[in-house]
Parts: sequence; structure tokens; C-alpha cells
Amino acid sequence: GAVVSQHPSWVICKSGTSVKIECRSLDFQATTMFWYRQFPKQSLMLMATSNEGSKATYEQGVEKDKFLINHASLTLSTLTVTSAHPEDSSFYICSALDPSGRADTQYFGPGTRLTVL
Amino acid sequence: RKEVEQDPGPFNVPEGATVAFNCTYSNSASQSFFWYRQDCRKEPKLLMSVYSSGNEDGRFTAQLNRASQYISLLIRDSKLSDSATYLCVVNPQAGTALIFGKGTTLSVSS
Repeated sequence: GAVVSQHPSWVICKSGTSVKIECRSLDFQATTMFWYRQFPKQSLMLMATSNEGSKATYEQGVEKDKFLINHASLTLSTLTVTSAHPEDSSFYICSALDPSGRADTQYFGPGTRLTVL
Repeated sequence: RKEVEQDPGPFNVPEGATVAFNCTYSNSASQSFFWYRQDCRKEPKLLMSVYSSGNEDGRFTAQLNRASQYISLLIRDSKLSDSATYLCVVNPQAGTALIFGKGTTLSVSS
């Protein structure tokens, strides 16, 4: 199946710093990628939909100025957590749609575990 | 009402047991349905799609009842390696984001 990578797989940072997470589709071009967040013992919650060449669509309650999403190419979307705080500590997972495959099939990255001290 | 609801468990069963998970969803117009498996600190992985006609893959059987907006997963002859969290997932519309349940935790012991 299609492969999606994320980098880094884990990161620890100090409060107030910014962290960039990359999501790449390795063997297909993804016009649409999704960013999810999962807190301990909670479900994955959609943060935003990232579309190549256009602005991301954010879910209600997700601050677009805090979580910057850039989808500048068909194989890369980035999520930057700006001025991170301990409450931003979470598991961030991206997924990508393969336009050549089934429209309901998403390929998930391995996730990035963020810990903000 | 939450969009996708599951019994969180945990379900603690011995090896060889049969266990059933249930899930309900609120959006009657939803188009696709799945069970995903998530191991601790890992990303979710697709286990199987769910259809009204039922779907069987080895020891796993999934069923969808659109009328009652109910999805089920049956695991027969449980193995230790089945221990994980099982996520009920709904896709409201092709090409859109998935909606995840909180997951049901299964622990299989010897």
C-alpha cells in the first residue's frame, strides 16, 4: 500500500518554542492531507484539512495562528506548532488521500509525539 | 450525542475466547465504515472495511446495520497478539476526514 512518513517521530521542546512536523507521501501525490491530534485515552480528533496550493481548513476550536499548516507540494504538508505550551503535548498524526485510489482510503503516517516542558 | 460511540472497555479475555465490539454512529448519511487497530503509542492501522453484507477476514467478522446505525466487530479464537485498541471509524463522505470513536481496549491473556 501507499506509504506516508512523518518527521520527527518524537520531539521534546521547551514552552514557548515552535515545532515543525513534516508529513510526506512517499510514493503518491496527495492533494489532500489531514492532521489529527490524539490526547491520552482519547480518540483521534481532526485538526485541519490541508489542500495543496490553498489554505488549510481548520476545525472549530483549532487556532489557525497557532497551528500553521503549509501544503506547498503534492507530497509534503507541514504542521508548525507555534509558541508551544504543555497543553499542546499530544500525538500528532497525518493522513493522506491517494487520488488514484479509493476516495475513502487514507494512509496514515506513523505519528509524532510532542512533549512540551 | 457523540458522532461515533464505542464501549471503551477494557475487555479482558483469555486466549481462544470470542469477543464482540459494538459501535454506533450518529450521521445516517455516512458512506464508509471501518475498524482500525491501534497499538500503544502507534498510528492506527486499517483492520477491515465494514459493509451491510458483512465482511469476514479470517478470525475477524465485521457487520454494518444502516437502519440502526450500528457497527460490530467479532473476533474469534483470540490471540495474545490481538491485544490492542480497536477503533470504530466512519467516513461521512468520500474524500473527507475520518471520524474516530474513542476505541475499545482488548487485552488477551494466556
